[in-house]
Amino acid sequence: DGGITQSPKYLFRKEGQNVTLSCEQNLNHDAMYWYRQDPGQGLRLIYYSQIVNDFQKGDIAEGYSVSREKKESFPLTVTSAQKNPTAFYLCASSIGSHKQETQYFGPGTRLLVL
Amino acid sequence: SQELEQSPQSLIVQEGKNLTINCTSSKTLYGLYWYKQKYGEGLIFLMMLQKGGEEKSHEKITAKLDEKKQQSSLHITASQPSHAGIYLCGAGLSLIQGAQKLVFGQGTRLTINP
Repeated sequence: DGGITQSPKYLFRKEGQNVTLSCEQNLNHDAMYWYRQDPGQGLRLIYYSQIVNDFQKGDIAEGYSVSREKKESFPLTVTSAQKNPTAFYLCASSIGSHKQETQYFGPGTRLLVL
Repeated sequence: SQELEQSPQSLIVQEGKNLTINCTSSKTLYGLYWYKQKYGEGLIFLMMLQKGGEEKSHEKITAKLDEKKQQSSLHITASQPSHAGIYLCGAGLSLIQGAQKLVFGQGTRLTINP
């Protein structure tokens, strides 16, 4: 079955700690995205990547970092510089060859601060 | 920037009844996406509309985009408990390198009473 997996489902972060959220897809999609979802604010784009070894900042990239070493994987690191990391994080992917194309989402990771 | 407004924010209907959710954009829509989300889970893609006047259906759900491409509606016929969840409309906005991001409305929370 093709799809997008995210792990872990829940993640707890201590003060000053960096944590990494995993996102893997086996859809053979070129483009991958990270969104953050907060109650009452909808989804906001953190980072996106159109091809391997290349990625761009989205609307709220401060305090986050990503890598794209493999087509299938797009991990997101929430650094200690992110002062309000508690949120639901969603990874998505799309074919990457058209301007208007559907993005498919993973099941999400909920990050909580201890 | 493009903004999407959904109405109503919350909807409670009796099982078997029809319902409509609206999505209004501040600018012309070049791609309008409907997703469904259950609490704490990822987004499930429902339908994508691009052309003015376009209408698509899947099972008991019909989505329409108006001729001016600034308003979309999602109609559910003979609602069932499985339809309960949060419905999100999203607009595709172009980024650099041919990528796009999705800008979402606040969502409509649908409850189905037996």
